[in-house]
Amino acid sequence: GENVEQHPSTLSVQEGDSAVIKCTYSDSASNYFPWYKQELGKRPQLIIDIRSNVGEKKDQRIAVTLNKTAKHFSLHITETQPEDSAVYFCAASISGTYKYIFGTGTRLKVLA
Amino acid sequence: EPEVTQTPSHQVTQMGQEVILRCVPISNHLYFYWYRQILGQKVEFLVSFYNNEISEKSEIFDDQFSVERPDGSNFTLKIRSTKLEDSAMYFCASSAPTSMGTGGGFTLHFGNGTRLTVT
Repeated sequence: GENVEQHPSTLSVQEGDSAVIKCTYSDSASNYFPWYKQELGKRPQLIIDIRSNVGEKKDQRIAVTLNKTAKHFSLHITETQPEDSAVYFCAASISGTYKYIFGTGTRLKVLA
Repeated sequence: EPEVTQTPSHQVTQMGQEVILRCVPISNHLYFYWYRQILGQKVEFLVSFYNNEISEKSEIFDDQFSVERPDGSNFTLKIRSTKLEDSAMYFCASSAPTSMGTGGGFTLHFGNGTRLTVT
């Protein structure tokens, strides 16, 4: 069935280091992959997304890569800062529907 | 910036009771959703709603669940007879009508969620 796996569940990095979060998806027809950030007590908010016709997308310190053949995509955060500490969710669209399937989330802690 | 608002932020109810979770989507959005997240687990799709009817629902969304848009601003989720396993954070979301083809590309705007605790 439709599924998105996300790893790791928790990630601690030193301020200034890079963080990588990985997701795999099951629906080979998925063509859109958003990433949401949820700070403590706040709503999930879109931070970056990628379509299946693109292999990589970058926005300042955040980048997302997509490998369609392997059905996995990753979030890369460089030069991490304490304000990057949050839970990050990946998601994948399901073809022919208006729904997204979310991963289980990664709690990122950036240590000062 | 317009936001999706949800009330209440926390709801405690006894097993078997009915609850209604309320949401006010962003005013020019036409697509509405409910997702839920059981503590420590993934965000799960429940239902999508467009043009005053359900467009899709998941296996979780059984006969105990219903959604309604009673007026031009509110979007509600009703659970008729709550069970312990309904305890979760329930997120309402909405999306804009532009670029709304199936298969993604639209941004989900989430509310802050309602934490439902069934005792």
